Amino acid sequence: NAGVTQTPKFRVLKTGQSMTLLCAQDMNHEYMYWYRQDPGMGLRLIHYSVGEGTTAKGEVPDGYNVSRLKKQNFLLGLESAAPSQTSVYFCASRTGLQQFFGPGTRLTVL
Amino acid sequence: TQLLEQSPQFLSIQEGENLTVYCNSSSVFSSLQWYRQEPGEGPVLLVTVVTGGEVKKLKRLTFQFGDARKDSSLHITAAQPGDTGLYLCAGVGGAGSYQLTFGKGTKLSVIP
Repeated sequence: NAGVTQTPKFRVLKTGQSMTLLCAQDMNHEYMYWYRQDPGMGLRLIHYSVGEGTTAKGEVPDGYNVSRLKKQNFLLGLESAAPSQTSVYFCASRTGLQQFFGPGTRLTVL
Repeated sequence: TQLLEQSPQFLSIQEGENLTVYCNSSSVFSSLQWYRQEPGEGPVLLVTVVTGGEVKKLKRLTFQFGDARKDSSLHITAAQPGDTGLYLCAGVGGAGSYQLTFGKGTKLSVIP
């Protein structure tokens, strides 16, 4: 099993550009999450999904959209990137109380 | 909004020393988790503590959940260079939400 995978690993955007981050899990988990991690801030929840076709807002959802068209995939979109969205983005899936995290995507917005 | 305060933020110690990391909140959590994160990787779950007053041991790591389920500590005995990393505590939300509230982390460096 690959667990949780994220693509791409690195990306540089210019302000105003759009992009989609892909998260995939092969563990058949219902719950999936997107977090951002900034220096000195810990991980903060952006959006999450409790199952295929459902999404919900987390702590810091502004500027992001998500979709869960297939159970194994959870997409995070930035429609118009801003420098404040420079961060490392982590996806996770959950079974029971355990969340399994992907390796992260490092995004820089210039 | 539930907040978790972690201390210290940074810790640099010599190999063989003992250390304790603290995680405190004014809110009650249904359970609390500790994660370890290495550079360039995602956090990995070390332990979940559920019951107030619970103590769990994982080799040289001892985790404790406060009686009131608002605070926790991680104690490492005889630290090794392999213990170097970012330690994160996370409170698990109640009412079936299972959402995690993370502390800001403690960056540990163990010097050989």
